[in-house]
Amino acid sequence: GQNIDQPTEMTATEGAIVQINCTYQTSGFNGLFWYQQHAGEAPTFLSYNVLDGLEEKGRFSSFLSRSKGYSYLLLKELQMKDSASYLCASMDSNYQLIWGAGTKLIIKP
Amino acid sequence: GAVVSQHPSWVICKSGTSVKIECRSLDFQATTMFWYRQFPKQSLMLMATSNEGSKATYEQGVEKDKFLINHASLTLSTLTVTSAHPEDSSFYICSARDILRDTGELFFGEGSRLTVL
Repeated sequence: GQNIDQPTEMTATEGAIVQINCTYQTSGFNGLFWYQQHAGEAPTFLSYNVLDGLEEKGRFSSFLSRSKGYSYLLLKELQMKDSASYLCASMDSNYQLIWGAGTKLIIKP
Repeated sequence: GAVVSQHPSWVICKSGTSVKIECRSLDFQATTMFWYRQFPKQSLMLMATSNEGSKATYEQGVEKDKFLINHASLTLSTLTVTSAHPEDSSFYICSARDILRDTGELFFGEGSRLTVL
């Protein structure tokens, strides 16, 4: 079957670093996406990994291990505006996205 | 990046009426658009895949006669919630992929919040 798992909620402190993990089981894997979604808004694209390794984009980095079916999103120098839900999604062989339930990240001062 | 516009952003309607939501790709062509529904504190749920010039593909459990999808052009898909009821109140979001860029990234509309009284 196809499945995505990520933690429901995480809490971190402003200025710190947080890592949000995601494990997946997807037939015909075609890449792993991370999206950020603020409450009441549509998701916004953060990253796309299709090869193993770390992709860095400013304060945000995303890692993928295809052999382990594992990805993480790393957020550095956390800011209050980073409080949001972070959605992990894998793309299958039909180019359909399978969505995780999202991780609600709470940033405390 | 590519822009997807969704309209209306908010709609309140009476039970039994129909509501149409539009999804437009403003600066690219999208042969395929996706319609999602999201209930509070839950993840996106794919309702259907809209295909330009052909019938939409609905996910299991989604009533195609209730959620009418029309993808009449390469830049416009519409979702009509027919005979809406309070349980249809939700956040509806569309997305599209730029087939020419083919980066795999999905571009999302702003979402439409439907409240059925």
